[in-house]
Amino acid sequence: GQSLEQPSEVTAVEGAIVQINCTYQTSGFYGLSWYQQHDGGAPTFLSYNALDGLEETGRFSSFLSRSDSYGYLLLQELQMKDSASYFCAVGYNTDKLIFGTGTRLQVFP
Amino acid sequence: DADVTQTPRNRITKTGKRIMLECSQTKGHDRMYWYRQDPGLGLRLIYYSFDVKDINKGEISDGYSVSRQAQAKFSLSLESAIPNQTALYFCATSDLMTSGKETQYFGPGTRLLVL
Repeated sequence: GQSLEQPSEVTAVEGAIVQINCTYQTSGFYGLSWYQQHDGGAPTFLSYNALDGLEETGRFSSFLSRSDSYGYLLLQELQMKDSASYFCAVGYNTDKLIFGTGTRLQVFP
Repeated sequence: DADVTQTPRNRITKTGKRIMLECSQTKGHDRMYWYRQDPGLGLRLIYYSFDVKDINKGEISDGYSVSRQAQAKFSLSLESAIPNQTALYFCATSDLMTSGKETQYFGPGTRLLVL
């Protein structure tokens, strides 16, 4: 079967850097995505990695190592508004997507 | 205007009642999905549809049914609601690029309480 693991909660202070890890087990893997969800809101797309390496989008970066079945989301220069839940999602078998259980990030002043 | 809309946004119903949640999208995407979200369990796929004639079960389809009335509309029904179907329900659409990149666009969610 397919499975993803990510930490349930991470805390950090404003201005810091935080890394949220995601490990997965799946057949037919084709890509790793990250989504952000604020309390009471809908998930919104952040980033996508299909190939090994780092993808950067502003303060957010996402990394993938296909050989290690591992990826992470890196958030820099943390702001209070970054407090949210972050979900990794794995695409597999060309047309399927499975979400992790989410990591709740709390940013403190 | 929102690209993916869901109605109703909140609903309280009683055990045994039939209820329908509706989703509409203006993004022109063929792919549509229904998820439920429970605390600590993330997003779990109920049903998905890749076009009007294509309906597929997700990981937790028991107790649910769907209808794809048009490219823009995808409805989720609970034929006989039970309390453990109390959850937050999300509809989503997606575009699948030739690169394999797929971005899902979520509606605002429907909060359902089954008494």
